[in-house]
Amino acid sequence: SQTIHQWPATLVQPVGSPLSLECTVEGTSNPNLYWYRQAAGRGLQLLFYSVGIGQISSEVPQNLSASRPQDRQFILSSKKLLLSDSGFYLCAWGGYGYTFGSGTRLTVV
Amino acid sequence: AQSVAQPEDQVNVAEGNPLTVKCTYSVSGNPYLFWYVQYPNRGLQFLLKYITGDNLVKGSYGFEAEFNKSQTSFHLKKPSALVSDSALYFCAVRDPNTGTASKLTFGTGTRLQVTL
Repeated sequence: SQTIHQWPATLVQPVGSPLSLECTVEGTSNPNLYWYRQAAGRGLQLLFYSVGIGQISSEVPQNLSASRPQDRQFILSSKKLLLSDSGFYLCAWGGYGYTFGSGTRLTVV
Repeated sequence: AQSVAQPEDQVNVAEGNPLTVKCTYSVSGNPYLFWYVQYPNRGLQFLLKYITGDNLVKGSYGFEAEFNKSQTSFHLKKPSALVSDSALYFCAVRDPNTGTASKLTFGTGTRLQVTL
């Protein structure tokens, strides 16, 4: 069966520090992968999606970037975090519908 | 562009009563529709989907949803609510014409509160 792993679960980082969140998928090949951010426990904002290795599409301009170095690995990064980057980050893979990871709570202080 | 509206920020219902969480959508073609549930500090869990076929879709944990094309709605229902159903519920739509990326557009979520 397919599973998706996301880590870390929580992260507290100072303003200006770098960020790396990792997401990996098992049990499937060439998945579509997505990064979402959920602010204030409500709406989901699509940040990036990828349909294959090295293929990244950005949905909104921001301080973040994404990379897909391997077929089942999707990484969300920042060189310098801002306070506004705080939120709950969710990775997902899927076709018709999505399977979500358990999320990372990022607090920038 | 596709969009989803969940008009209620919160729905309150007593345990044992039926519940309805509303969702309306806008998409250019025939929609793919989904419901997800989120518990605190967790990822979203899939409840049910409508792709084609019977307008009444049954999903996990006793939930069901009815696709109504004329009203462009996909309301989530359960005949008898449980306190453990209290969570945040998201409706989502996919335009099948969006190609390989299959991006879902989510509503803003409805918080369901079930009380004894």
